[in-house]
Amino acid sequence: GEDVEQSLFLSVREGDSSVINCTYTDSSSTYLYWYKQEPGAGLQLLTYIFSNMDMKQDQRLTVLLNKKDKHLSLRIADTQTGDSAIYFCAEENAGNMLTFGGGTRLMVKP
Amino acid sequence: EPEVTQTPSHQVTQMGQEVILRCVPISNHLYFYWYRQILGQKVEFLVSFYNNEISEKSEIFDDQFSVERPDGSNFTLKIRSTKLEDSAMYFCASSDTATNTEAFFGQGTRLTVV
Repeated sequence: GEDVEQSLFLSVREGDSSVINCTYTDSSSTYLYWYKQEPGAGLQLLTYIFSNMDMKQDQRLTVLLNKKDKHLSLRIADTQTGDSAIYFCAEENAGNMLTFGGGTRLMVKP
Repeated sequence: EPEVTQTPSHQVTQMGQEVILRCVPISNHLYFYWYRQILGQKVEFLVSFYNNEISEKSEIFDDQFSVERPDGSNFTLKIRSTKLEDSAMYFCASSDTATNTEAFFGQGTRLTVV
């Protein structure tokens, strides 16, 4: 079955760039997503990329997709303390179901 | 900004009891989903619902689970006879398209089975 993997934890200093990585197995994924979860809150859609693209930029967020290696990354420029949260990548398959990674906890130090 | 609302935020129930988790999707949305996250594990797909019927369901969604849209506004998940392993955070989501590009998630209901 499909599998999505992420590293558990990332710590950066305020103002630095953060890069969160994700690998997936399903080569038929249509869209790939990044969600943010703050404590006590639901899953907030940050951005997504269609599988035939290799890059998408949205303000401070840059998504890179390497289909050959099945690797997805999220770069957050000028990381702020408010960016501290858990970040989930997810792939969407033909049935429109999402398969999530385990989440990466981003800690931003002042 | 529109939001998906889930109630209650936390429910404690005894093993074997029935629970109903409630969700109010965004009003013009047509596609509805339930996911769950057991503590320390990944968020897992349970079921998708469109046009008053289940579109897809996972292996987790066995006969103990059912979904309903009883009144055109609420979307409910019922667990008929809860087990300890049903303890998890349950997330509802809704979308106005068949993809998740416009999907919104609720804040979740934490179900604790004792």
